[in-house]
Amino acid sequence: SQTIHQWPATLVQPVGSPLSLECTVEGTSNPNLYWYRQAAGRGLQLLFYSVGIGQISSEVPQNLSASRPQDRQFILSSKKLLLSDSGFYLCAWGQGPGANVLTFGAGSRLTVL
Amino acid sequence: EDQVTQSPEALRLQEGESSSLNCSYTVSGLRGLFWYRQDPGKGPEFLFTLYSAGEEKEKERLKATLTKKESFLHITAPKPEDSATYLCAPLNDYKLSFGAGTTVTVRA
Repeated sequence: SQTIHQWPATLVQPVGSPLSLECTVEGTSNPNLYWYRQAAGRGLQLLFYSVGIGQISSEVPQNLSASRPQDRQFILSSKKLLLSDSGFYLCAWGQGPGANVLTFGAGSRLTVL
Repeated sequence: EDQVTQSPEALRLQEGESSSLNCSYTVSGLRGLFWYRQDPGKGPEFLFTLYSAGEEKEKERLKATLTKKESFLHITAPKPEDSATYLCAPLNDYKLSFGAGTTVTVRA
C-alpha cells in the first residue's frame, strides 16, 4: 500500500532563517507530487507541483522553492523565512494525468517568529 | 480565474439534525469535483469524486451531489464523529482549487 511521510511535524523558526520540509512517498512510482499551504480560515493554496524528477512548476511567486531530487522525494525550501510564511504545509501525491485523487501527508506546522 | 466558495463557514448541529453544505464554483474546463474531510491538525482525507452534473455519491451518512455550478454535501442524522472541516475542490486539468471549507460541529 502507498504511504506518504512528511516531516518535521512542527517547527518554530526565526525570521530570516532557512527552511527545509521533506516529503517522501512509498509504494508507488512516478507520482505527481504537490505542496500546499493552508492559512487559518483559508483554502489550501497550491504552491508547487511536480510530474517527475527535476520538474517543478510554481503556482505563485513567493519566498519558497521546491525540488524533487528523487522520484518519490519532494522538498520545500526557503533561504530566508518571512513572517508571512507561517502556516500549515501539506504534501500530497496523485497518480496519472491531472490531479486525480490526492493523498495528503499529515502536514507540517510552521511558525515564523 | 477559478473561484470556489463554500457556505456556511461554520455549522453547529445537534446529533441527528440533518443539514447540507454548499460548494459553488467557477472553473473553466471542469474535470471533476472532489470532497475531502479534514480533522484539526491533520491532512485532508478523500471522500468523493463527482464527474458530471446529476451524479451522486454516498458514504455512510454523507451524500454528495453535483450540478453545473454547485455541489452539495448532505449530512443525514449526523453523529459527533462527523465533526470536521469539509473541503470541496473542483479539478481543472492538472490542479485542484480548494475552498476554505465548512467546519461542522455535531453536539451529542
